[in-house]
Amino acid sequence: DTGVSQDPRHKITKRGQNVTFRCDPISEHNRLYWYRQTLGQGPEFLTYFQNEAQLEKSRLLSDRFSAERPKGSFSTLEIQRTEQGDSAMYLCASSGGLAGGPDTQYFGPGTRLTVL
Amino acid sequence: AQTVTQSQPEMSVQEAETVTLSCTYDTSESDYYLFWYKQPPSRQMILVIRQEAYKQQNATENRFSVNFQKAAKSFSLKISDSQLGDAAMYFCAYRSGTGANNLFFGTGTRLTVIP
Repeated sequence: DTGVSQDPRHKITKRGQNVTFRCDPISEHNRLYWYRQTLGQGPEFLTYFQNEAQLEKSRLLSDRFSAERPKGSFSTLEIQRTEQGDSAMYLCASSGGLAGGPDTQYFGPGTRLTVL
Repeated sequence: AQTVTQSQPEMSVQEAETVTLSCTYDTSESDYYLFWYKQPPSRQMILVIRQEAYKQQNATENRFSVNFQKAAKSFSLKISDSQLGDAAMYFCAYRSGTGANNLFFGTGTRLTVIP
């Protein structure tokens, strides 16, 4: 079990550019989540996948944001036409989706995005 | 929507002493789960302890224990014998047992451990 990994760890971009982040969940986990965390706040939910299906999306996920999990393994989060307000830590989490259990989410180290 | 409130932005504790972090939540559901996560500086978030709402017994994990008061919608974390490595941001989180799968987080409490 190597844990949840995210790449890159840091990304600096100019306003208007597109960025893409990758998340590799714990290998046996079928659920994957994206959250956004701004300074001094707790993480806020963005979207959720069960296997390759995107089942939930937050109102925070504007049309500039898109997430995929094509084969039910890794996921990508793309932000188009970045804005300074997109600057945040983007966290990925995965869980095993065990029926009847607390379905604990395990978090990756995050990708810190800075939009200049 | 569920809300989670952590009213203590910062707390400090002497090494080896005990500290309690507060958390309240608002929900109309009867089936849910509660979590405390720890986020050390520049490190990833890790689970400290979890509580199922249907369990009356308070969860305990070594030096960490919770005081779960379902009627009061309160879920505090007690850290006993505090260690320097306990210094971190602590987040309380809520997850529905029947609806949305995502976590709702509070704003966090920054814990400082004084040697």
